[in-house]
Amino acid sequence: AQSVAQPEDQVNVAEGNPLTVKCTYSVSGNPYLFWYVQYPNRGLQFLLKYITGDNLVKGSYGFEAEFNKSQTSFHLKKPSALVSDSALYFCAVRDGSSGYSTLTFGKGTMLLVSP
Amino acid sequence: GAGVSQSPSNKVTEKGKDVELRCDPISGHTALYWYRQRLGQGLEFLIYFQGNSAPDKSGLPSDRFSAERTGESVSTLTIQRTQQEDSAVYLCASSFLPGGTYGYTFGSGTRLTVV
Repeated sequence: AQSVAQPEDQVNVAEGNPLTVKCTYSVSGNPYLFWYVQYPNRGLQFLLKYITGDNLVKGSYGFEAEFNKSQTSFHLKKPSALVSDSALYFCAVRDGSSGYSTLTFGKGTMLLVSP
Repeated sequence: GAGVSQSPSNKVTEKGKDVELRCDPISGHTALYWYRQRLGQGLEFLIYFQGNSAPDKSGLPSDRFSAERTGESVSTLTIQRTQQEDSAVYLCASSFLPGGTYGYTFGSGTRLTVV
């Protein structure tokens, strides 16, 4: 079984400040980890992924995430938040050891960036 | 096509009626997935099609839900005798590799409202 926890329903940050959106996961095999963003009335857009390699992954729109195996975490970060970053963010995991497993998503974290 | 296309974008139906939702994946994507997103909740996996293999139906919530896919093209999700708890956004996604090794591409979703 695989699961994802996003402990914060909402994160508030002022524009220009760094932001972190937390994610922890549980998977029996190799974790493949993803972050997606959803703007109002839109589908999910891919931000970044971790499959293997460097623990720090860089993605779209200046976002990055750090894979921490010992803490089973994959927190999303950005050095300087923009008002336009305000959206719903989803973390997802799949078991990379299984060729046919699907993505399991967290409940999502609403990011609100104030001017 | 260039992206995953879903229709209709919005559907309002009366309780007890049947509805059919359509998804047109990216050309060449062998895998297709349906998820449900209820208001304020995360994404709930419904069903996964991989090529000509038997679909993974483990996420379908009841026998009122069914889905079909013709080869590696269009998929339809059918909900019979709709109930108010079926109100949600239904998201379709596709991927080139089985299970979405490098992530999924999502459509914009169908917002279903059962009145």
